[in-house]
Amino acid sequence: AQTVTQSQPEMSVQEAETVTLSCTYDTSESDYYLFWYKQPPSRQMILVIRQEAYKQQNATENRFSVNFQKAAKSFSLKISDSQLGDAAMYFCAYRSDNAGNMLTFGGGTRLMVKP
Amino acid sequence: KAGVTQTPRYLIKTRGQQVTLSCSPISGHRSVSWYQQTPGQGLQFLFEYFSETQRNKGNFPGRFSGRQFSNSRSEMNVSTLELGDSALYLCASSLTGTGYFSEQYFGPGTRLTVT
Repeated sequence: AQTVTQSQPEMSVQEAETVTLSCTYDTSESDYYLFWYKQPPSRQMILVIRQEAYKQQNATENRFSVNFQKAAKSFSLKISDSQLGDAAMYFCAYRSDNAGNMLTFGGGTRLMVKP
Repeated sequence: KAGVTQTPRYLIKTRGQQVTLSCSPISGHRSVSWYQQTPGQGLQFLFEYFSETQRNKGNFPGRFSGRQFSNSRSEMNVSTLELGDSALYLCASSLTGTGYFSEQYFGPGTRLTVT
């Protein structure tokens, strides 16, 4: 079974600075997807960024980018120019390529942004 | 397009009772997944329905069941409620999911409290 681990329960960053959230996963599969989801307080979970395992290039979405290290099974999220609205729970998630939409989530990292 | 909707948003039940939660996916989406979110266990996959068929099932007891209707709306049922069933129940919908990437959109959740 796949497992996803987020070792940082909480992180804080100063507004306008950069922060990196860590995620490691364990799988024996070669084809899969990795995701970072954001869950603001009392608001809906939204997809921040995704990475297909077969792609070597790291995904980027505006201020959000990932460092995908397939051999090391590591998938970190970098948030540049942090904004107050980035404060939320961030979940790393894994999805197999042959198991429908089932997501395996990490325990989450609470990100606080200081003005 | 309207987003994923879940009803009711809040629910208080007594131990031993049963409860039914509803999820209406985004129009055109055929896959609906359910997740349980608790402070202790985090986000855990319950099951996924696609075209009225259960495609995947998580590691939950048989008290948790679900179904999907021809219009893709889904319900989940929990019988003989236990205190530990208190959680935020999230529903997510997507077009399909297997074979190629199809983003999942999450609903606001139903907060179930068992007393």
